[in-house]
Amino acid sequence: EAGVTQFPSHSVIEKGQTVTLRCDPISGHDNLYWYRRVMGKEIKFLLHFVKESKQDESGMPNNRFLAERTGGTYSTLKVQPAELEDSGVYFCASSQGLARGDEQFFGPGTRLTVL
Amino acid sequence: QQQVKQSPQSLIVQKGGISIINCAYENTAFDYFPWYQQFPGKGPALLIAIRPDVSEKKEGRFTISFNKSAKQFSLHIMDSQPGDSATYFCAAVNQGGKLIFGQGTELSVKP
Repeated sequence: EAGVTQFPSHSVIEKGQTVTLRCDPISGHDNLYWYRRVMGKEIKFLLHFVKESKQDESGMPNNRFLAERTGGTYSTLKVQPAELEDSGVYFCASSQGLARGDEQFFGPGTRLTVL
Repeated sequence: QQQVKQSPQSLIVQKGGISIINCAYENTAFDYFPWYQQFPGKGPALLIAIRPDVSEKKEGRFTISFNKSAKQFSLHIMDSQPGDSATYFCAAVNQGGKLIFGQGTELSVKP
């Protein structure tokens, strides 16, 4: 069974440009999470989808970030316009249920560099 | 503010030694504490987890010790191997399932 996949693996853009990250969760997983790790710090929660609905977007840094999950399958995270502080590794994770012990499976991440 | 604090940031252990990573949390609403292991170029993967009604959980060479009154928990890796070299993250979970991570520990096990 395929795991969580993310595209692209790396992205280098100039400040002010737009970037769209994509995440394909494990098939059948209703829960999809986005996280970000900036420069060796902790991995921080960004938002959580249940199917196509945003359950919790309390971690989104500002309105330059827009996440969507049309049809409850794959998700995109758009940064527009990108700033230097947006650089980091963006992880997507999915889980089947919402119980505490339901494992979140992580993708390999997208490394975003904003110059 | 940092809700889960993890130490040390980096750790070098000789093969066969014991690796110990410590975490402390503040929010008593957390009720599930997983540890994740991450190899270069990969995403974090669940290693072992514990609930606060248990003081210790062991899976093979990996053990979590949990002290609810002190709001601290730790990961012990017995007989550490070079293949254990990775970044380890502790985490805490409350309502909604979102993971609150510590800063991570880069473990290097020398042969």
